[in-house]
Amino acid sequence: DVKVTQSSRYLVKRTGEKVFLECVQDMDHENMFWYRQDPGLGLRLIYFSYDVKMKEKGDIPEGYSVSREKKERFSLILESASTNQTSMYLCASIGGNEQFFGPGTRLTVL
Amino acid sequence: GQSLEQPSEVTAVEGAIVQINCTYQTSGFYGLSWYQQHDGGAPTFLSYNALDGLEETGRFSSFLSRSDSYGYLLLQELQMKDSASYFCAVHARGATNKLIFGTGTLLAVQP
Repeated sequence: DVKVTQSSRYLVKRTGEKVFLECVQDMDHENMFWYRQDPGLGLRLIYFSYDVKMKEKGDIPEGYSVSREKKERFSLILESASTNQTSMYLCASIGGNEQFFGPGTRLTVL
Repeated sequence: GQSLEQPSEVTAVEGAIVQINCTYQTSGFYGLSWYQQHDGGAPTFLSYNALDGLEETGRFSSFLSRSDSYGYLLLQELQMKDSASYFCAVHARGATNKLIFGTGTLLAVQP
């Protein structure tokens, strides 16, 4: 069974903290994505990666960075968390034309 | 710019047919996908259209008209479990398969 897993389902952090969200896929996919989902705004692309060590900004990269050191792992980093980064974060990888999503991490920044 | 438009909410009754429309405006287009997301869950893939016409998968069908920059998802014989959000997504770049998602349509199926 194909799988995308994320390190945490729920996370609470304080303003200014550095936050790491981890995503692992076991399908040997080249392309991986990080989205945030907010009510009424749909899924907005933060960053994506099309190969190890390769990354490209999405639509809302400000305040975020990413790391792809291994093909199966794609990490999202909030350098200094702020309250407006409270959101649901979804990781995905793509095989053919189908994106496979992880269960999501609901991050609250206090 | 790039934008997708779909209705924010649709309500229908069990057993009925419902159509969720999606119009798009993008600089590149390789295909249109649909995803379903239940409350608290992750989006799951429903369908993909690259060419004009209708694709049928069980109770769900998806249609694309590239000349009209328009597509729709058709759900037949609605069941309560179909209550969910539905997202259309444009495949805007072939090489990386980058998707641009609409804001989603919340479908409420009533008994």
